[in-house]
Amino acid sequence: DAEITQSPRHKITETGRQVTLACHQTWNHNNMFWYRQDLGHGLRLIHYSYGVQDTNKGEVSDGYSVSRSNTEDLPLTLESAASSQTSVYFCASSDSRDNLGNTIYFGEGSWLTVV
Amino acid sequence: DQQVKQNSPSLSVQEGRISILNCDYTNSMFDYFLWYKKYPAEGPTFLISISSIKDKNEDGRFTVFLNKSAKHLSLHIVPSQPGDSAVYFCAAEGSQGNLIFGKGTKLSVKP
Repeated sequence: DAEITQSPRHKITETGRQVTLACHQTWNHNNMFWYRQDLGHGLRLIHYSYGVQDTNKGEVSDGYSVSRSNTEDLPLTLESAASSQTSVYFCASSDSRDNLGNTIYFGEGSWLTVV
Repeated sequence: DQQVKQNSPSLSVQEGRISILNCDYTNSMFDYFLWYKKYPAEGPTFLISISSIKDKNEDGRFTVFLNKSAKHLSLHIVPSQPGDSAVYFCAAEGSQGNLIFGKGTKLSVKP
């Protein structure tokens, strides 16, 4: 079955370290997204991509970067981890802008703790 | 400023009764709305959606109502079951094709 997987599922890192969260989808979706979920804020968009070599900033993009070198992967990098980036991160994908709602799929989440 | 608002952080309902989850939005340009359900330690899963050309969409026990003039939508679950206990997120499709989420409502269905 096609799926979207995130790794690592849990990570503890130190302030100032560079961290990369991986996201891999096998649906051949063009659109991919990274969200973070925090208590009191719901899900907030970090970065998104509509295809290879395309990346866009979302609502809370400061301190994060993404790259899209192929259709399947959208890794999220924290350049210099800060305690404010302790959160649960969700990757998502969808097949086309017109069908966004019915076909968006979320990964299981990556729990990141910055100490 | 929040564009999608879920003003009730939590809701408790008896099994078999109706659960009504509410959502308000501020941007009149939004024309597609979705509800997602999230269990602890899992990713959100799509539940039901509605386009602005409709005022109601039904899927089994789940019905979403849209009142465009009031910029309000609601999710009705009838009858509620203990397995429905989860956090429910309301979302609107933004101009960039992304989803803008509310803060979520935690539903507890008691046996």
